[in-house]
Amino acid sequence: EVQLVESGGGLVQPGGSLRLSCAASGFTFSSYEMNWVRQAPGKGLEWVSCISSSGTTIYYADSVKGRFSISRDNAKNSLYLQMNSLRAEDTAVYYCARDKSILEAFDYWGQGILVTVSS
Amino acid sequence: EIVMTQSPATLSVSPGERATLSCRASQSVRSNLAWYQQKPGQAPRLLIYGASTRATGIPARFSGSGSGTEFTLTISSLQSEDFAIYYCQQYNNWPPTTFGPGTKVDIK
Repeated sequence: EVQLVESGGGLVQPGGSLRLSCAASGFTFSSYEMNWVRQAPGKGLEWVSCISSSGTTIYYADSVKGRFSISRDNAKNSLYLQMNSLRAEDTAVYYCARDKSILEAFDYWGQGILVTVSS
Repeated sequence: EIVMTQSPATLSVSPGERATLSCRASQSVRSNLAWYQQKPGQAPRLLIYGASTRATGIPARFSGSGSGTEFTLTISSLQSEDFAIYYCQQYNNWPPTTFGPGTKVDIK
């Protein structure tokens, strides 16, 4: 069974940093492109970042470019999102999601982790 | 960036009735369109990809159609578990992949 489990969320002050993790199991993690998608409270879905299976190709949404950094450790079956210079508008539930195929739909999602940016 | 719009924002339907949800792209996305279902407090679930292919385990009452800029998700006979928010997503031109604002299907 495919499982994606996020961790590392919480309350952080504006300008602070946080690192999210996503532990993957039930599939060959190193074969799949992975993503972070977020959802502000009561709002829709916003794609944040994508990393290729090998980690060599990375994309970011303009809203997080230069502040967030995606990475992965295929030996540990883990995906990460380093979030720096956090703003109130980054407050959201963050989901990790697996690409069905390269640059395709997202066929599995984690349960999500809440990040709250507030003083 | 391709902008996705969905209509209506809210659709009130009685159980057993048919629901038709629309999604429009600001430019052609060919058939690179997915639909997701999200229930309160849960992650989105992939229903349809490639505009019309049901994902694994998705009941046959869900069907997708369209190509280019106009797409439709049809739920042929609404069950109680189908009341949720539905999002479309284009993955033809990315980054970024973009989602529509969602259609909430609630009980009439």
